Amino acid sequence: GENVEQHPSTLSVQEGDSAVIKCTYSDSASNYFPWYKQELGKRPQLIIDIRSNVGEKKDQRIAVTLNKTAKHFSLHITETQPEDSAVYFCAAPRNAGNMLTFGGGTRLMVKP
Amino acid sequence: SAVISQKPSRDICQRGTSLTIQCQVDSQVTMMFWYRQQPGQSLTLIATANQGSEATYESGFVIDKFPISRPNLTFSTLTVSNMSPEDSSIYLCSVEASGRADGETQYFGPGTRLLVL
Repeated sequence: GENVEQHPSTLSVQEGDSAVIKCTYSDSASNYFPWYKQELGKRPQLIIDIRSNVGEKKDQRIAVTLNKTAKHFSLHITETQPEDSAVYFCAAPRNAGNMLTFGGGTRLMVKP
Repeated sequence: SAVISQKPSRDICQRGTSLTIQCQVDSQVTMMFWYRQQPGQSLTLIATANQGSEATYESGFVIDKFPISRPNLTFSTLTVSNMSPEDSSIYLCSVEASGRADGETQYFGPGTRLLVL
């Protein structure tokens, strides 16, 4: 089955700095990689995803990069703001199917 | 994205009792999933609920403890049976609309916060 490792588990940055969260996965057949943001007491919300036919995808201050050879993908947040503070989860599908395996989560704190 | 609601939003239950959680979607979806999220932890898949077939359970979760119904393409229930304090958690449903074999976006319901005394 799929094993997804996420690092770091906590990340503290100053407002305006960049934040990078990295995930590795084990199933080489995986080809869809979503990132979710979960604010305290709220549901996980999809913020960006990438498929294996591209190496990078951007959406304003958020970008995701994928290295299929090394089996890792990363979330990049630029010009961080206090409202970016949340727990971020990466995920990868199991057996290239529909069931997602989630990483352990990264608690991002953006200090004003 | 789909609009997903869950009932109840939270509950406090006595050990040994059962609670049924409902998940309603505003559009027909192929696949629905039930997750557990223990405090400060990641999301763990309990089972996949597909309309017209039995739910598929993940390792460590059994039908007797977590029976699931999926009577149509917009609704599912998860029952937490014979509860113990270890079942205290947030239970989330999610939906995937397309049924693509290569993975598609999952959208989450707001969750049900359960405390078992």
